[in-house]
Amino acid sequence: DAGVTQSPTHLIKTRGQQVTLRCSPISGHKSVSWYQQVLGQGPQFIFQYYEKEERGRGNFPDRFSARQFPNYSSELNVNALLLGDSALYLCASSLWTDTEAFFGQGTRLTVV
Amino acid sequence: QKEVEQDPGPLSVPEGAIVSLNCTYSNSAFQYFMWYRQYSRKGPELLMYTYSSGNKEDGRFTAQVDKSSKYISLFIRDSQPSDSATYLCAMRGNAGKSTFGDGTTLTVKP
Repeated sequence: DAGVTQSPTHLIKTRGQQVTLRCSPISGHKSVSWYQQVLGQGPQFIFQYYEKEERGRGNFPDRFSARQFPNYSSELNVNALLLGDSALYLCASSLWTDTEAFFGQGTRLTVV
Repeated sequence: QKEVEQDPGPLSVPEGAIVSLNCTYSNSAFQYFMWYRQYSRKGPELLMYTYSSGNKEDGRFTAQVDKSSKYISLFIRDSQPSDSATYLCAMRGNAGKSTFGDGTTLTVKP
């Protein structure tokens, strides 16, 4: 069984640019969550989506947005990138909103 | 003050030792408690998933939750060099948002 897949694995962007990160959940899982992990810290919750609807939002600015598609895959968009957005972006997949979550390998974003 | 505090480490033990990893929390609404293992530059891997107070055992791993003290632990028996990683505790209420500790880095020396 394929796990959670994220693309790309690494990305370098310039300040002010926009970036789109992608996630495919485990087959049969309907919920996707996004987390940001800065080096040396635990993951911080950004969004949760279930059945294409936003079910939760963390304390992140409006530059961060996401969506979920009918096939349950998801995209995270970040506009007007700042140096501080450099982090590992993690996608987590779960069967429903309140079941255990399984993480992908992450997308490492570097903003220069 | 953070909702979840995790012993920062780093922790270095000889192979075969028993390892104890600990977290405290302040939010009484947390009901689900998880432990993840994260190797360098990889995504977290779910090790243990428990609900409410009590113990749960899976092979060499035992998760312990004490809701009255707002304290959770992960014990690793017969530790192996392959257990060397960062261990993250996480917890949540009924909603899907999980709150993580900052991790404890463990090194098991052969």
